[in-house]
Amino acid sequence: DTAVSQTPKYLVTQMGNDKSIKCEQNLGHDTMYWYKQDSKKFLKIMFSYNNKELIINETVPNRFSPKSPDKAHLNLHINSLELGDSAVYFCASSQGFLRGIGYGYTFGSGTRLTVV
Amino acid sequence: DQQVKQNSPSLSVQEGRISILNCDYTNSMFDYFLWYKKYPAEGPTFLISISSIKDKNEDGRFTVFLNKSAKHLSLHIVPSQPGDSAVYFCAASGLGKLVFGAGTILRVKS
Repeated sequence: DTAVSQTPKYLVTQMGNDKSIKCEQNLGHDTMYWYKQDSKKFLKIMFSYNNKELIINETVPNRFSPKSPDKAHLNLHINSLELGDSAVYFCASSQGFLRGIGYGYTFGSGTRLTVV
Repeated sequence: DQQVKQNSPSLSVQEGRISILNCDYTNSMFDYFLWYKKYPAEGPTFLISISSIKDKNEDGRFTVFLNKSAKHLSLHIVPSQPGDSAVYFCAASGLGKLVFGAGTILRVKS
């Protein structure tokens, strides 16, 4: 029973298209995140939501719009896709987002987005 | 601006020996430090963490050491096993987010 599941796992699309990636967690966590792993392999936070409220937005282009319909879901919609958006996108969840996240996040298996 | 740095892109170790992975950070406000392990085509999985008020945390074969004055932490794996071969990410927690290093590829040879 997958704790954090992302769909699709692979996504190949043309420049200019609009696409969405879905994420669901069944851990009962109250905070969800989107991270991007770029070609240099850095994992960088994009957004975090706590109880459906946007908490962190890390200077991500406004072509990226997260949506959290409830605590268990955080979707990522990307408009007008560009070549530089090609990356692996990871969804994650945690219980709480302030001090003391010593137990870490639970990550999904990632969505590899390729823009051609 | 890299707040968390893993300066060794890769490390190769013989099975049964010790693996030592290193990490440096710049921000004194981080309150927790974590290590994640990642296999290809999977998400990172949490391995072990340490609070900024401690200097050592141990869990089975894995021990994390924190030197706050040097802003340095390390992960020791003893004994190393072939199944430990993966990418290891160091991460620091602060202000509601995890900041990751670039990762170190560990190869354990049998």
